[in-house]
Amino acid sequence: AQTVTQSQPEMSVQEAETVTLSCTYDTSESNYYLFWYKQPPSRQMILVIRQEAYKQQNATENRFSVNFQKAAKSFSLKISDSQLGDTAMYFCAFMKYSGGGADGLTFGKGTHLIIQP
Amino acid sequence: SAVISQKPSRDICQRGTSLTIQCQVDSQVTMMFWYRQQPGQSLTLIATANQGSEATYESGFVIDKFPISRPNLTFSTLTVSNMSPEDSSIYLCSVGGADTQYFGPGTRLTVL
Repeated sequence: AQTVTQSQPEMSVQEAETVTLSCTYDTSESNYYLFWYKQPPSRQMILVIRQEAYKQQNATENRFSVNFQKAAKSFSLKISDSQLGDTAMYFCAFMKYSGGGADGLTFGKGTHLIIQP
Repeated sequence: SAVISQKPSRDICQRGTSLTIQCQVDSQVTMMFWYRQQPGQSLTLIATANQGSEATYESGFVIDKFPISRPNLTFSTLTVSNMSPEDSSIYLCSVGGADTQYFGPGTRLTVL
């Protein structure tokens, strides 16, 4: 079984600043995917970014990027030029590779990110 | 990405009753998943639903309490049976490809 740990229950930064959310995980799997999801007050889960474990290159999506350290089992999310709309709960999640099929996600407890004007 | 809808979006129910939540996807998908998010908590996987086979439940969740149907490749239902206040949660369905998952908007259930 895998576990996902987010050690920052809440973070607060000023608009336009850069913020990094931490995530560590534990697994015996060699092939897997890692995700960051955003959940605003509307409660809709929005996929922010995805990382394949077999790829050494860190994923980026516009203002969002990750620092994936496979040996350390670390997967942090960096948000650049933060905006008020980034205020939300952010969940780190793990999915093992299932030979072409999907598998269920294991989530961390989440980090509540507040962007101050 | 798939477009996923859930019905109802929210409900308030009395203890001892049952509620069926529907999940509809705009394209055919093999795997569908049901999650529970208790108040102020993270998401926990309840079960995996494949079309044409019995759902697979995670530890701590049983079919008698959370029966699931998957009649076709675009639709699934989750029933929360014999409800108690501890079942008050957001219930979310998701659909999975080989390398990602997309979520429905969730159903907020309050049990009195």
